[in-house]
Amino acid sequence: NAGVTQTPKFQVLKTGQSMTLQCAQDMNHEYMSWYRQDPGMGLRLIHYSVGAGITDQGEVPNGYNVSRSTTEDFPLRLLSAAPSQTSVYFCASLKGQGVGGYTFGSGTRLTVV
Amino acid sequence: RKEVEQDPGPFNVPEGATVAFNCTYSNSASQSFFWYRQDCRKEPKLLMSVYSSGNEDGRFTAQLNRASQYISLLIRDSKLSDSATYLCVVNIYDDYKLSFGAGTTVTVRA
Repeated sequence: NAGVTQTPKFQVLKTGQSMTLQCAQDMNHEYMSWYRQDPGMGLRLIHYSVGAGITDQGEVPNGYNVSRSTTEDFPLRLLSAAPSQTSVYFCASLKGQGVGGYTFGSGTRLTVV
Repeated sequence: RKEVEQDPGPFNVPEGATVAFNCTYSNSASQSFFWYRQDCRKEPKLLMSVYSSGNEDGRFTAQLNRASQYISLLIRDSKLSDSATYLCVVNIYDDYKLSFGAGTTVTVRA
């Protein structure tokens, strides 16, 4: 199994541009989430989904959209990139409530100039 | 106040030494606790869950103190490969949403 696959691994955007970070998992996990990691701040939850067709906001949702049309895919869209969105983005999935820990993708390093 | 706080370190220890560090959490209703390991520029990986009675996994021992609202991680007989950042993770709201500490950096030297 590939686990959680994120693309791209690196991206440079200009302020105002939009883009989509892709996340796919092949483990039939119910729960998927997006985090951003900034130095000294730990991982912060952006958006999450408890199943296909269901999404909700996390701690820092502004400037980001998500959708979950299938169990496998959970893309994150940056609507109008800002330098404050320069970060490392991780997608994670979980099989179900109270079942083990999260599996993370390898991350996307985004720089907004 | 942050929901999960950790001493950032770094803890710089020789091979074979024992190193221990704590993490405090603010919400007394927290249900689940984990330690994750993150290598430089890599994704976090689950190291171990933390159970109320404490638990071991090889050279790693985790403890939970609900009364004082902290969890601890102890690494015995440290290896060079143990050098990493250790993330304390707590379920604050429900079993889906987790809160992460900023991490404790451990460096094991030869």
